Amino acid sequence: DAGVIQSPRHEVTEMGQEVTLRCKPISGHDYLFWYRQTMMRGLELLIYFNNNVPIDDSGMPEDRFSAKMPNASFSTLKIQPSEPRDSAVYFCASSLYPSSTWVETQYFGPGTRLLVL
Amino acid sequence: ELKVEQNPLFLSMQEGKNYTIYCNYSTTSDRLYWYRQDPGKSLESLFVLLSNGAVKQEGRLMASLDTKARLSTLHITAAVHDLSATYFCAVDSTYSGGGADGLTFGKGTHLIIQP
Repeated sequence: DAGVIQSPRHEVTEMGQEVTLRCKPISGHDYLFWYRQTMMRGLELLIYFNNNVPIDDSGMPEDRFSAKMPNASFSTLKIQPSEPRDSAVYFCASSLYPSSTWVETQYFGPGTRLLVL
Repeated sequence: ELKVEQNPLFLSMQEGKNYTIYCNYSTTSDRLYWYRQDPGKSLESLFVLLSNGAVKQEGRLMASLDTKARLSTLHITAAVHDLSATYFCAVDSTYSGGGADGLTFGKGTHLIIQP
């Protein structure tokens, strides 16, 4: 398997522009997670999906952020309008549904480095 | 609110030495994860620990979990330069239930191993 795929890998945009980040999870995985990493705040969970349904979006910082998962193989994270403080590395991760005695790890994609000028 | 604290946050050590990174978390949790991150790279999974007393080893790294103390340790034996990286512990806040949850991460331990 190719692992979790994210695009673009790098994005530079100007304040006020719309930004769309994309993620393809590992085939067959039940969960998809979006995280953000900054020097100041570390790694933070933004939102996650189970079987394409959003389960917890309490980490989404503002209404400017939205995420969708229209099917099992694709998810988007959109920022509109973008602001300089949104500059960060955005990671997508996926995992299988755990059993009572077994849990597989969350597999992280390569990340999208976003710079908002 | 679930909190995950790692210490130390920075560690510089010499090759051949042993050291331990500590991870404390604030609430009952089913699962404890350790990840490695190289500069500019993604997170690489090292261990998933599921139960009290769990111990896992891979090469020079050994992780353990004490759920009663809410403490996990990552022990490095006879460190080598290639182990230089940032190490994160993370906790899945799912409690005695089914399914998975997002991870709450510690701030990471930046480890430098000098020849």
